[in-house]
Amino acid sequence: VQVVESGGGLVQPGGSLRLSCKTSGFAFNQNNMNWVRQAPGKGLEWISHINGTSYVKYYAESVEGRFIFSRDNADDSLYLQMNRLRAEDTAVYYCVRSVDPRGAFDLWGQGTMVIVSS
Amino acid sequence: SYELTQPPLVSVSPGETASITCSGHALPRQYAYWYRQKPGQAPVMVMYKDVHRPSGIPDRFSGSASGTNVALTITGVQAEDEADYYCQSADDTGTLLVFGGGTRLTVL
Repeated sequence: VQVVESGGGLVQPGGSLRLSCKTSGFAFNQNNMNWVRQAPGKGLEWISHINGTSYVKYYAESVEGRFIFSRDNADDSLYLQMNRLRAEDTAVYYCVRSVDPRGAFDLWGQGTMVIVSS
Repeated sequence: SYELTQPPLVSVSPGETASITCSGHALPRQYAYWYRQKPGQAPVMVMYKDVHRPSGIPDRFSGSASGTNVALTITGVQAEDEADYYCQSADDTGTLLVFGGGTRLTVL
């Protein structure tokens, strides 16, 4: 049972990046998934939630309108399309399973680092 | 926006009891969850729905809730419990999920 993030890297301000999360070992299409990020030396910040059917999506105000969360249940994968990136988006991005739509983040990946800098 | 407030630092000696609090106006209506994060590692859930302990979490960890406050209590603190602890909940709409700012537990 695991989730593995990929796609992080260095990007210029205003640029775009697409993160991926490959899952295995559990009934992916029955589970809520989320992205949580952590800026260097800072606390955790939830940024987006998607339910099993993709019908329900929530975003934090800090990324609403810039980030798009999607999933492919045929491939047990998740994607985070990040547009109009800012320096403050620099963080480790975690792919996280939640057993409740309002929390209970019970399975975390090891994270992928995104650096927004010129 | 919605905020959860935690003390930045709690320090205890080994064997003592540590209590980490978290306050938020929606906590009477929304469950709280707690996570432990050690340096260089991903967080691990240590409490869910205020008072329930996931499998594998020692029974020295307990949770409580009262009004706009929730707390994570560690009884008989051990050196391995030194970590950052985060509470997490949702606002009244249930569509904005938030973490508290985190509490660093140091074991003296």
